[in-house]
Amino acid sequence: RKEVEQDPGPFNVPEGATVAFNCTYSNSASQSFFWYRQDCRKEPKLLMSVYSSGNEDGRFTAQLNRASQYISLLIRDSKLSDSATYLCVVTPNNAGNMLTFGGGTRLMVKP
Amino acid sequence: NAGVTQTPKFQVLKTGQSMTLQCAQDMNHEYMSWYRQDPGMGLRLIHYSVGAGITDQGEVPNGYNVSRSTTEDFPLRLLSAAPSQTSVYFCASSYGGILTEAFFGQGTRLTVV
Repeated sequence: RKEVEQDPGPFNVPEGATVAFNCTYSNSASQSFFWYRQDCRKEPKLLMSVYSSGNEDGRFTAQLNRASQYISLLIRDSKLSDSATYLCVVTPNNAGNMLTFGGGTRLMVKP
Repeated sequence: NAGVTQTPKFQVLKTGQSMTLQCAQDMNHEYMSWYRQDPGMGLRLIHYSVGAGITDQGEVPNGYNVSRSTTEDFPLRLLSAAPSQTSVYFCASSYGGILTEAFFGQGTRLTVV
């Protein structure tokens, strides 16, 4: 079983739609949680960190459920530019240097 | 704003050849890491370093060596390339600490034939 699991998709949604991704992790000792975005043939870039109480950044909302060991990402009012692969990332410590990645969820936003 | 710089961007090797993937960062980050990305597998940690002179193995270290003689540089050496090492390699750096952001280089696409 992978340590971090995601539905690979693709999720095909129209512009303006709301879409949600979930991610589950197996290591209950995981300390830090993130969503990274990766465009085709590019490097991953941080989209947002995930706080225990949940957090919002514009159209993006992240939630963490430690009891059930899952993380979610909600994207409201999808834009064409949101088309990318979204990577769920956890770390076993707070050092940020030992990232464990999920396989990614591909999102395609269509006009 | 160089950030994390990887060279080369593309490389084709023959089985058994050796080579070094270069990674340099200009952000004075203590933490540096190497990952490989294969289709459907996500990124997997190869080796990491928490500072100059200190390195450790990640999830998939076999066939790779690293060293960290300076804060800025963290080269990855393939000792004897194998087709299973065909992948995209990413170097990353970060300050460390809670919820710290990792910055990635643009990647090196390696094909071993």
